[in-house]
Amino acid sequence: AQSVTQPDIHITVSEGASLELRCNYSYGATPYLFWYVQSPGQGLQLLLKYFSGDTLVQGIKGFEAEFKRSQSSFNLRKPSVHWSDAAEYFCAVGASGYSTLTFGKGTMLLVSP
Amino acid sequence: DADVTQTPRNRITKTGKRIMLECSQTKGHDRMYWYRQDPGLGLRLIYYSFDVKDINKGEISDGYSVSRQAQAKFSLSLESAIPNQTALYFCATSEANGLGAGELFFGEGSRLTVL
Repeated sequence: AQSVTQPDIHITVSEGASLELRCNYSYGATPYLFWYVQSPGQGLQLLLKYFSGDTLVQGIKGFEAEFKRSQSSFNLRKPSVHWSDAAEYFCAVGASGYSTLTFGKGTMLLVSP
Repeated sequence: DADVTQTPRNRITKTGKRIMLECSQTKGHDRMYWYRQDPGLGLRLIYYSFDVKDINKGEISDGYSVSRQAQAKFSLSLESAIPNQTALYFCATSEANGLGAGELFFGEGSRLTVL
């Protein structure tokens, strides 16, 4: 079975500082990996996805993520955080032969002035 | 208009009442899903459907039922609501593909409170 771990429940970052949100997955073969963002009172919006190919993936809003097979990780990064990035972020994993995505428990990002 | 629409957006009800949450989509996707979100627990899959004649249980289906009335409509029912079903519920859709689970497109959520 596939699983996802987001080790950090909350993270606080100063506006303008860099950001890295951690995601570790468990799956034997090559996974399909996703990062979603949920702003307060909103649904989930896809930031980026990895299916195959280049392990560094660019997404919307200046986010990127890097797939590292050796570490079973898919960490989300942004070089300079804006106050509007405050939200909850979810990592999800899917895979060939599995019908559904499995989500992590989320990381809440707080941005301080 | 939103591609995935959920109604109602907010609902307060009492223990023992029957509740239906509805989802409709204009994306033309075959696959539809119902998830539940609780603080600290992330999103957990309740039911999913890959076409009108296909219904599958997710990891937390007890106490819930679903109906796929048409390709574009997928409703979630709580036959006798209880307080621990208080949560934010999301409908999602995805395209069918040969790779397995793909990108999900979410509605804006239905917040249910059971008193």
